[in-house]
Amino acid sequence: TQLLEQSPQFLSIQEGENLTVYCNSSSVFSSLQWYRQEPGEGPVLLVTVVTGGEVKKLKRLTFQFGDARKDSSLHITAAQPGDTGLYLCAGDSGYALNFGKGTSLLVTP
Amino acid sequence: SQTIHQWPATLVQPVGSPLSLECTVEGTSNPNLYWYRQAAGRGLQLLFYSVGIGQISSEVPQNLSASRPQDRQFILSSKKLLLSDSGFYLCAWSAGQTGNTIYFGEGSWLTVV
Repeated sequence: TQLLEQSPQFLSIQEGENLTVYCNSSSVFSSLQWYRQEPGEGPVLLVTVVTGGEVKKLKRLTFQFGDARKDSSLHITAAQPGDTGLYLCAGDSGYALNFGKGTSLLVTP
Repeated sequence: SQTIHQWPATLVQPVGSPLSLECTVEGTSNPNLYWYRQAAGRGLQLLFYSVGIGQISSEVPQNLSASRPQDRQFILSSKKLLLSDSGFYLCAWSAGQTGNTIYFGEGSWLTVV
């Protein structure tokens, strides 16, 4: 099983701050996906990155795929309370997605 | 459009009782189907996946089993539940090719008492 390590595990910030969360692995992935999950609900896809070095922006969220396709980062600018949730990265293992343990983000007003 | 539903949403079962969680997908054919488990709101553990009717692959040996009696139906079962089976169970589907987006159901909370 290809392991994905996410850091930090927990993050509590105030509204307006910037933050970056990381997803690292020793394995190379053909694609990597980021999901956000709210309590009691299933994860929802935010973005898929495929090409090494790729950068994708989704409003205030910026996703980057490492050049070697082993790691990824998610940067949030000017965080808002609505950004609160569990952020999960997942790598294509060839037959399913392997998920990291997630970063639990709390944004307080 | 495609939809995925799983039920029941919440379940409280005594130790040793059986389990059946059901999941159906609409609006697509021959999807890959998955059962994941999530403990304490943390990472998702892949339990089973299926690429077609009657084809089930297990990722983790345990007292759970899965079946796919129809193309868009996926069932998670147990004959005798253990306390450690408690958790949030998520059914999911993808379009069939690895790397495609996985779409999740609403989840089922199982508490074994």
